Amino acid sequence: EVQLLETGGVLVQPGGSLRLSCAASGFPFSNYAMSWIRQTPGKGLEWVSTLSAAGADTFYTDSVRGRFTISRDNSKNTLYLQMNSLRAEDTAIYYCATYTRGIPDYWGQGTLVPVSS
Amino acid sequence: EIVLTQSPATLSLSPGERATLSCRASQTIGSYLAWYQQKPGQAPRLLIYRASNRATGIPATFSGSGSGTDFTLTISSLEPEDFAVYYCQQRSVWPLTFGGGTKVDIK
Repeated sequence: EVQLLETGGVLVQPGGSLRLSCAASGFPFSNYAMSWIRQTPGKGLEWVSTLSAAGADTFYTDSVRGRFTISRDNSKNTLYLQMNSLRAEDTAIYYCATYTRGIPDYWGQGTLVPVSS
Repeated sequence: EIVLTQSPATLSLSPGERATLSCRASQTIGSYLAWYQQKPGQAPRLLIYRASNRATGIPATFSGSGSGTDFTLTISSLEPEDFAVYYCQQRSVWPLTFGGGTKVDIK
């Protein structure tokens, strides 16, 4: 059974940094591209970033490019999202998901990231 | 960026009824459309990919159709557990984008 567990969401001030982790199990993690997607009541679901299986190729939505970095450690079956220069509009539930057939497939339960002073 | 417009925003139906949800893309996306179901407090769950292919474990009461710019998700007979919010999503062009959702609630 595919399991994805996001951690790291805590209250952070605008301009601050945070690293989210996503621990994966139940599937061959190193064979799968992975994504981060976020959700807010106001903007709905928003794709954030995708990383290829080997970690060589990265994709970002425009609003986070240059501030967020997606990475992975295949030896630890873990996906990361380093978030810098956080803004109030980054407040959201952040989900990690497997990325197969060009779409987010299995999703974790999410971690809440509030950005506020 | 491709904008996906879902309609209606809310669909009020009774168990056993048929639900028809629409998703329209701002430009052609071939068949690169997926549908997700989300229940309160849960993550989205993939239902349909490539417009008409059911994901693993999804019952045959769910079906998808369409291509180009107009797509439909049909639930042939609503079960109590089907009352939820449904989202469409395109992967034809980066960035991936999602529709605003259709809430299917109990009439």
